[in-house]
Amino acid sequence: SAVISQKPSRDICQRGTSLTIQCQVDSQVTMMFWYRQQPGQSLTLIATANQGSEATYESGFVIDKFPISRPNLTFSTLTVSNMSPEDSSIYLCSAWTGVINTEAFFGQGTRLTVV
Amino acid sequence: GNSVTQMEGPVTLSEEAFLTINCTYTATGYPSLFWYVQYPGEGLQLLLKATKADDKGSNKGFEATYRKETTSFHLEKGSVQVSDSAVYFCALSDQGTGRRALTFGSGTRLQVQP
Repeated sequence: SAVISQKPSRDICQRGTSLTIQCQVDSQVTMMFWYRQQPGQSLTLIATANQGSEATYESGFVIDKFPISRPNLTFSTLTVSNMSPEDSSIYLCSAWTGVINTEAFFGQGTRLTVV
Repeated sequence: GNSVTQMEGPVTLSEEAFLTINCTYTATGYPSLFWYVQYPGEGLQLLLKATKADDKGSNKGFEATYRKETTSFHLEKGSVQVSDSAVYFCALSDQGTGRRALTFGSGTRLQVQP
């Protein structure tokens, strides 16, 4: 199993500002993922973060809006830039562990409210 | 592309009732299938999984069978409890294509009344 710690757990931010969310895994993982869960909706993949390379973004998400860092095999950050109320969501990081019996673990999420 | 379709919620049941939450999928490769649960105020937890056709995943009294012929992975429990009230997400990972990101269904909220 794996423990994934995210911080902050929640924040209220002014529009036009940026927030950086940190994700720490208690073991080394190759790929980390960032998801968005808008109010009352399912999870949508924002990007995949590999150590030592640029993140891969899904359709509808761009690096200028959601820059991602992946400095080592246990840590990643997601920044939500130039925020607007439409960015109010829960942001979750995730990582797969194991080689044979793999499963994806999730952080507790960061609940972001933009006012 | 990959997609997951879940039955609409909320589903409201009385304690000890039988639960079925339908899930169907489309995938280009050979997906693994998952059910995740999100209890109020908490993060996502893996409930059960199945990695190939005809596998049955089970945990905490919940079961789901990977049906390739009907592209389905329906979640069942014989007797629900109030503590099962949560949002349930069906998901797939198309690991055969090397893409390990999860594709989620829309989620189904289950409310169990005493």
